[in-house]
Amino acid sequence: QSALTQPASVSGSPGQSITISCTGTSSDVGGYNYVSWYQQHPGKAPKLMIYEVTNRPSGVSNRFSGSKSGNTASLTISGLQAEDEADYYCSSLTSSTTYVFGTGTKVTVL
Amino acid sequence: QLQLQESGPGLVKPSETLSLTCTVSGGSISSSTYYWGWIRQPPGKGLEWIGHMYYSGSTYYNPSLKSRVTISVDRSKNQFSLKLSSVTAADTAVYYCARNSAGGFHIWGQGTMVTVSS
Repeated sequence: QSALTQPASVSGSPGQSITISCTGTSSDVGGYNYVSWYQQHPGKAPKLMIYEVTNRPSGVSNRFSGSKSGNTASLTISGLQAEDEADYYCSSLTSSTTYVFGTGTKVTVL
Repeated sequence: QLQLQESGPGLVKPSETLSLTCTVSGGSISSSTYYWGWIRQPPGKGLEWIGHMYYSGSTYYNPSLKSRVTISVDRSKNQFSLKLSSVTAADTAVYYCARNSAGGFHIWGQGTMVTVSS
C-alpha cells in the first residue's frame, strides 16, 4: 500500500487559515469515512485531531476542522497560532482492512 | 484515564527478533469496541502503520511487513505484544502502541526507540 500524499510543508501567519491536503485513492480515502488527522510536536507522540473525516475528539480546539471530497481529504487550521507549528499526518482505512498514513506536512507559523 | 506504555529492548542485533510489549492501564484490553495496534516512525521520517489486533484476537498487518510481524495479547496481564523477525537497520525506529476506534488512533503510548545494530 502506498502512503497518502501530503504537501511537504505549509506555512501561514498568525491568525490566518491554512489547509493541508491528503490525497489517496478510491481504495482508501475515497472509499471510507475513516480518515483521521494527527499533530506531532518534536520528540512527542502523535495526537489525534480529527477522526471520521470531520469529528474532533474532546479537548481539541474548534480551530481544527476536517473535510473530504472524492479521494482527497483536508485539514483546515483557522486562526493559526504559534503552538500549531508541528508536523501533521493523515491516515485512512483501506479496502484491505489495513491503515495507511500520509507522507506528513510540516506546518510553519511565520 | 486509559494509558499505554511500551517496553522492551532498545537495541536489537540484525537478523534477530524485535519484541515489544504494550501495557494497558486504566481500562481493559478485552473491550469489544477497540483495536490495539503498533505504529513506528524511523528517525526523521513519517509514521508507518504496522498492524493491529481486535479484542477477539483477529489480527491485521501491513502487507509490506506481514511475513515478519506477529501481534498477540496476554489478557491476564492486560498487555499486547509485537514481534518483528529478521530485523535490519531499516527497522530502526520509534515504536508506538495505540488504541484505535472509529478509524482513529485516539490514545498513544509515549513511544520507545529501538535501534538495530550489531
